[in-house]
Amino acid sequence: SQKIEQNSEALNIQEGKTATLTCNYTNYSPAYLQWYRQDPGRGPVFLLLIRENEKEKRKERLKVTFDTTLKQSLFHITASQPADSATYLCALPYSSNTGKLIFGQGTTLQVKP
Amino acid sequence: NAGVTQTPKFRILKIGQSMTLQCTQDMNHNYMYWYRQDPGMGLKLIYYSVGAGITDKGEVPNGYNVSRSTTEDFPLRLELAAPSQTSVYFCASSGPRGLGGNIQYFGAGTRLSVL
Repeated sequence: SQKIEQNSEALNIQEGKTATLTCNYTNYSPAYLQWYRQDPGRGPVFLLLIRENEKEKRKERLKVTFDTTLKQSLFHITASQPADSATYLCALPYSSNTGKLIFGQGTTLQVKP
Repeated sequence: NAGVTQTPKFRILKIGQSMTLQCTQDMNHNYMYWYRQDPGMGLKLIYYSVGAGITDKGEVPNGYNVSRSTTEDFPLRLELAAPSQTSVYFCASSGPRGLGGNIQYFGAGTRLSVL
């Protein structure tokens, strides 16, 4: 089955800088990868999906890359703001033929003003 | 639309008690899921359902039961609560596989303490 690793240490950056979060996976290459945001005391909220044949996906200040050779996805937030402070989770399909997702443990981002 | 609604928001149980966590969605999604999230950990899948009348175990099903009699509702039953079941429980739903890459929509969670 698939395993996911996200940096468990919190990422602290200054407002205006670019935050880069990493998601590494093992075993097979998934058909797609998703990123979610979770605020304290709330459920995760979907942000972006990138498919295996897409190298990069953008949405406003967010950018996701997907490198199937490295088995890695990078999640970038440009011009970061204190409101971007949250935990970010990556998620992949459990296996090649199921709709279930396996989630990483998340990386907490703290943007300081 | 309300999306995914979970009740209750908070609950304290004594060891050995039972309870049902309620989950309902109004998006006509076929797929529904129950997760638990422990501090600093990711979401662990407890049970899931691909449609009314069909359920299957996830990664950590022991101590839990589910049923899916309607498309909208997916209750999670805890029998004989144990301290190890202290956690935050999230219900989620998604549309048919292949459409939107199985994007999941989550409820606000139920915070459960077993003392």
